[in-house]
Amino acid sequence: AQTVTQSQPEMSVQEAETVTLSCTYDTSENNYYLFWYKQPPSRQMILVIRQEAYKQQNATENRFSVNFQKAAKSFSLKISDSQLGDTAMYFCAFMRPIQGAQKLVFGQGTRLTINP
Amino acid sequence: EAGVTQFPSHSVIEKGQTVTLRCDPISGHDNLYWYRRVMGKEIKFLLHFVKESKQDESGMPNNRFLAERTGGTYSTLKVQPAELEDSGVYFCASSQRGLAGDETQYFGPGTRLLVL
Repeated sequence: AQTVTQSQPEMSVQEAETVTLSCTYDTSENNYYLFWYKQPPSRQMILVIRQEAYKQQNATENRFSVNFQKAAKSFSLKISDSQLGDTAMYFCAFMRPIQGAQKLVFGQGTRLTINP
Repeated sequence: EAGVTQFPSHSVIEKGQTVTLRCDPISGHDNLYWYRRVMGKEIKFLLHFVKESKQDESGMPNNRFLAERTGGTYSTLKVQPAELEDSGVYFCASSQRGLAGDETQYFGPGTRLLVL
């Protein structure tokens, strides 16, 4: 069974700083997808970024980028020039791309606070 | 386009009572998922519908939980009778049916259930 581990329950940085959230996972699969979701306080969970395991290039979305190390089974999220609106719970998730079995396996989450 | 909606946003009930949660997926999304986050723990998969059929219900905790998706549109999740350990946030997500793996899941805001 796949597992996802986020070792940082909470993090706090100053506005405009860069922050990296860590995520490791365990799987015997070769093809899979990885995601970072974010849930701001009292708001909906939204997709931040996703990575296909067969792609060597790290995914980026504006200020968000990942460092995907397949051999090490590591998938960290870097937030550059952090903003107050980045304050949220961040969840790392794994998915097997098998029709009918696309359930997400989540980590425990990291509560990120951006301070003014 | 309307996102995934869930009702109610909060529910407080007593042990032994029944509660029914509702999820309206994004229009046209065949896949519908239920997840649950118990306080401080990771988000865990409950079950997956493809249209009106249960594709995977391996995450359902026990037979006190009943999920339905009549007509393949909205879904309900009934807990009867509710126990203290059922407290948590229940998330619904939906996705389009496409190439396996290329199905980003969009989440609702969740229903926060408290069983006293």
